[in-house]
Amino acid sequence: NAGVTQTPKFRVLKTGQSMTLLCAQDMNHEYMYWYRQDPGMGLRLIHYSVGEGTTAKGEVPDGYNVSRLKKQNFLLGLESAAPSQTSVYFCASSRPGTSYNEQFFGPGTRLTVL
Amino acid sequence: DAKTTQPNSMESNEEEPVHLPCNHSTISGTDYIHWYRQLPSQGPEYVIHGLTSNVNNRMASLAIAEDRKSSTLILHRATLRDAAVYYCILNNYGQNFVFGPGTRLSVLP
Repeated sequence: NAGVTQTPKFRVLKTGQSMTLLCAQDMNHEYMYWYRQDPGMGLRLIHYSVGEGTTAKGEVPDGYNVSRLKKQNFLLGLESAAPSQTSVYFCASSRPGTSYNEQFFGPGTRLTVL
Repeated sequence: DAKTTQPNSMESNEEEPVHLPCNHSTISGTDYIHWYRQLPSQGPEYVIHGLTSNVNNRMASLAIAEDRKSSTLILHRATLRDAAVYYCILNNYGQNFVFGPGTRLSVLP
């Protein structure tokens, strides 16, 4: 099993450009998450999904959109990138119904907005 | 969400035990205590979790205070590979995780 994979690994954008980050998981997990991590800080939740076709806002959703058209994929979109969105983006997935709700993380996407 | 407080950084010598503390004085009765760690340039990974009793697994042990207002992650013999940021997180069965800045553990050879 590949676990959680993220595409691309690195990306440089100019201010105002758009892009989509792809997260895929092969563990048949219901829940998926997008986080961002700025230097020296913990992860902050952007958006999450508790099932195919459903999404919800997290702590820092502004400037991002998401879609969960297939259970195994969770897309994060930036419509008009800003330098403040320079960060490392992590995707995670988990299976509900357990006490510990273990989240499995992808390797991250490093995004730089100039 | 209940908050956790951890030291910013700690240092340990290789092959010695490491005790990573976490304070969570506002923990509720249904909050589980979770520990994740993040190795350099990787996503976080699960370490251990518990509710009231002490817990052991192949990676670490979790000691939970009787009043549950604090806990300690114990690495029995630190290795260089254990150098990472360790996060203590409270989670009430399915709520979203809140990652603080964590404790950066350095392991000296």
